[in-house]
Amino acid sequence: GAVVSQHPSRVICKSGTSVKIECRSLDFQATTMFWYRQFPKQSLMLMATSNEGSKATYEQGVEKDKFLINHASLTLSTLTVTSAHPEDSSFYICSAPGTPYGYTFGSGTRLTVV
Amino acid sequence: EDKVVQSPLSLVVHEGDTVTLNCSYEVTNFRSLLWYKQEKKAPTFLFMLTSSGIEKKSGRLSSILDKKELSSILNITATQTGDSAIYLCAVGANNAGNMLTFGGGTRLMVKP
Repeated sequence: GAVVSQHPSRVICKSGTSVKIECRSLDFQATTMFWYRQFPKQSLMLMATSNEGSKATYEQGVEKDKFLINHASLTLSTLTVTSAHPEDSSFYICSAPGTPYGYTFGSGTRLTVV
Repeated sequence: EDKVVQSPLSLVVHEGDTVTLNCSYEVTNFRSLLWYKQEKKAPTFLFMLTSSGIEKKSGRLSSILDKKELSSILNITATQTGDSAIYLCAVGANNAGNMLTFGGGTRLMVKP
């Protein structure tokens, strides 16, 4: 079945540094990738939609200069959290549509900023 | 703005009980409703519903969509401790570029 590989699964970084999260579609082409964040005990909140070959679309309230999204190819989308702060600590997860079950999720990245 | 509401927010039951989780939506150009189970990491797919009144079943889990009432239910019979998770409902719309709108989730805890 369709698989989205997300790395890293966990990352701890110092405040002020940048962290890159990758999502790769392994056996299908993902022209679109959705990026979500999830705070403890809360649901998934859509942050942005990346489209291969064009600029990402950000949801209201999400700073595009802070959360840089690049969709460099049909199989790779990246989210870079720039100048991370403790309040950016969260669970980040990507999802690609168009698979047999509608959508496939990556395994998620737990980011802790200290 | 598309909206998905799940109830209850949380639920505690004992093994063997039957539970019903609810999802209601307000979506323009509805396409599909999906149910996911989320434990510690990524949500895992349970059901995709597109047609009203047709029950989908997988083991002890079943789900049905009511387009007239703009809602869906997820039933779990003979619950087990392994059913403890957050259950997420999401709705896709035809005009939303494949984007899903998620509900707030129902946190289910099944006690032995």
